[in-house]
Amino acid sequence: GENVEQHPSTLSVQEGDSAVIKCTYSDSASNYFPWYKQELGKGPQLIIDIRSNVGEKKDQRIAVTLNKTAKHFSLHITETQPEDSAVYFCAASGVTGGGNKLTFGTGTQLKVEL
Amino acid sequence: DAGVTQSPTHLIKTRGQHVTLRCSPISGHKSVSWYQQVLGQGPQFIFQYYEKEERGRGNFPDRFSARQFPNYSSELNVNALLLGDSALYLCASSLGVSQTQYFGPGTRLLVL
Repeated sequence: GENVEQHPSTLSVQEGDSAVIKCTYSDSASNYFPWYKQELGKGPQLIIDIRSNVGEKKDQRIAVTLNKTAKHFSLHITETQPEDSAVYFCAASGVTGGGNKLTFGTGTQLKVEL
Repeated sequence: DAGVTQSPTHLIKTRGQHVTLRCSPISGHKSVSWYQQVLGQGPQFIFQYYEKEERGRGNFPDRFSARQFPNYSSELNVNALLLGDSALYLCASSLGVSQTQYFGPGTRLLVL
């Protein structure tokens, strides 16, 4: 089955700096890659997603890049703000006979310091 | 517009008991997926339902079961609870099987 690895596990940046979180996946059949932000005591909130027919997608301060050959995708947050502090999860999926199962990475605790 | 709702928000059970968790998807969404999130880890897929039929099952024992109702709401049932079942149980809804999944706030289950 699919395996998603995520790095780093913790990331501390100064307000205004950029943050980059990287993920790799194992199943070449995966074709959908969402990123979720989870704040303490809440469910994961979708922040951006990308499908395998696109190499890059941007939404204001957030961007995601995908390298299908390397099976690698990354989240980029620019001009970080204190409210960006949370745990971020990458995930991968592909619709198969087993439904659209999202396989998550282990999460990155992002801390934006003033 | 209401997002995904789950009930109850918190639950305490003892080993061997049974629990039922409930989920109402976003209006218009026909697919519901269930995930288990143990503290410090990413969510793990349990089930996906679409139009009342099971479309996917993760690597969980038969003690876990689910169903989806005609109004697309869903229940997750866990029998013979173990201490290791303590976790945040998340429900996600999507328009269809392959569409984006939106998560609810979760039900935090503690098994003593």
